[in-house]
Amino acid sequence: DQQVKQNSPSLSVQEGRISILNCDYTNSMFDYFLWYKKYPAEGPTFLISISSIKDKNEDGRFTVFLNKSAKHLSLHIVPSQPGDSAVYFCAARSGANNLFFGTGTRLTVIP
Amino acid sequence: NAGVTQTPKFRVLKTGQSMTLLCAQDMNHEYMYWYRQDPGMGLRLIHYSVGEGTTAKGEVPDGYNVSRLKKQNFLLGLESAAPSQTSVYFCASSRTGGLSTEAFFGQGTRLTVV
Repeated sequence: DQQVKQNSPSLSVQEGRISILNCDYTNSMFDYFLWYKKYPAEGPTFLISISSIKDKNEDGRFTVFLNKSAKHLSLHIVPSQPGDSAVYFCAARSGANNLFFGTGTRLTVIP
Repeated sequence: NAGVTQTPKFRVLKTGQSMTLLCAQDMNHEYMYWYRQDPGMGLRLIHYSVGEGTTAKGEVPDGYNVSRLKKQNFLLGLESAAPSQTSVYFCASSRTGGLSTEAFFGQGTRLTVV
């Protein structure tokens, strides 16, 4: 049973506009959430994270929002650039030694 | 700056054959992980290690064995490959547990079992 869900397999956005990627989770014990970015033929790379005690974390063009009551987090990319085109994975931590990953959302930024 | 290196990058196996996937990291990380990625499933943890000489099971350990004889290497073995093990395998390492900001992934190994 998928504990972390990304219900949108793909998203297309015009360059310069905002990209919003969504993620839902079911386990209320998750205490740390991360977004990873993956280009074809490469491994995932860490993008941004947020602790469950916060509701927002910002790093340059990337902002992650956490709504614990709704068990929902989102990644905002503003402004979107063609180089942001990749698959984005949401992940959540339970305990020290595992991350549960979503199925990924393929973002395409159109020049 | 090699980071995490996986060998091989591609492999085709016949059902019942065995093979070992090698993961090497040069960052002196304590924690190492093996994940598999399947369509529609995200990445799922197979086995992990919290230090040299230690291993533990993850979410989907059946059909796999691992060894961590040296701190820098984490080996994933398939004793008798099955078509259900067709997947992309990723190794990762981190200085601390939980794969937070310090985690690094390898490029992946695409394995096909026919």
